[in-house]
Amino acid sequence: KQEVTQIPAALSVPEGENLVLNCSFTDSAIYNLQWFRQDPGKGLTSLLLIQSSQREQTSGRLNASLDKSSGRSTLYIAASQPGDSATYLCAVRHEYGNKLVFGAGTILRVKS
Amino acid sequence: DVKVTQSSRYLVKRTGEKVFLECVQDMDHENMFWYRQDPGLGLRLIYFSYDVKMKEKGDIPEGYSVSREKKERFSLILESASTNQTSMYLCASSSLRGDQPQHFGDGTRLSIL
Repeated sequence: KQEVTQIPAALSVPEGENLVLNCSFTDSAIYNLQWFRQDPGKGLTSLLLIQSSQREQTSGRLNASLDKSSGRSTLYIAASQPGDSATYLCAVRHEYGNKLVFGAGTILRVKS
Repeated sequence: DVKVTQSSRYLVKRTGEKVFLECVQDMDHENMFWYRQDPGLGLRLIYFSYDVKMKEKGDIPEGYSVSREKKERFSLILESASTNQTSMYLCASSSLRGDQPQHFGDGTRLSIL
């Protein structure tokens, strides 16, 4: 059974700092990995999707990498801003099927 | 722009009531999903559907049923609501294309008294 772990569970940083969020998964037979952002009391917003054949994806100040064989992904946020404060979730989709398995998330607070 | 709309943001019901949560997407997506999100337990899949009138159980289907009569609409039904079904419910949709993400609604916070 696929298990997804996110470290750290919470992170508090000063504005302007570069930071890394970690995601690991136990079954490397994945189709893709997705990073989402969730603001308090809201739904999830898709940030980046990495196919299993890809190594990384970039969107603005966000960069996500994937090492499928070791079961790891990182989300790099450059020059963090208070507006980046949210919960960040990673999720993996198995090679067969449409279901996503989610990690518990990292709660990020960027202080001004 | 992609839009997944859940009918209610907040809902309060009593134990034993039959509760309907509605979700509509405007992207002509084949797949639709219902999750619940609880502190410490994360997102857990209740049911999903990959086509009209088709459904599959997720990880925690007990006490729930679903209906998908039209492609754009996916309903979650609590047959006889219980207090342990108090939670945040999230609907999502996705296309069959593997390179596209799931899109989520804003959620329904359901309280069962």
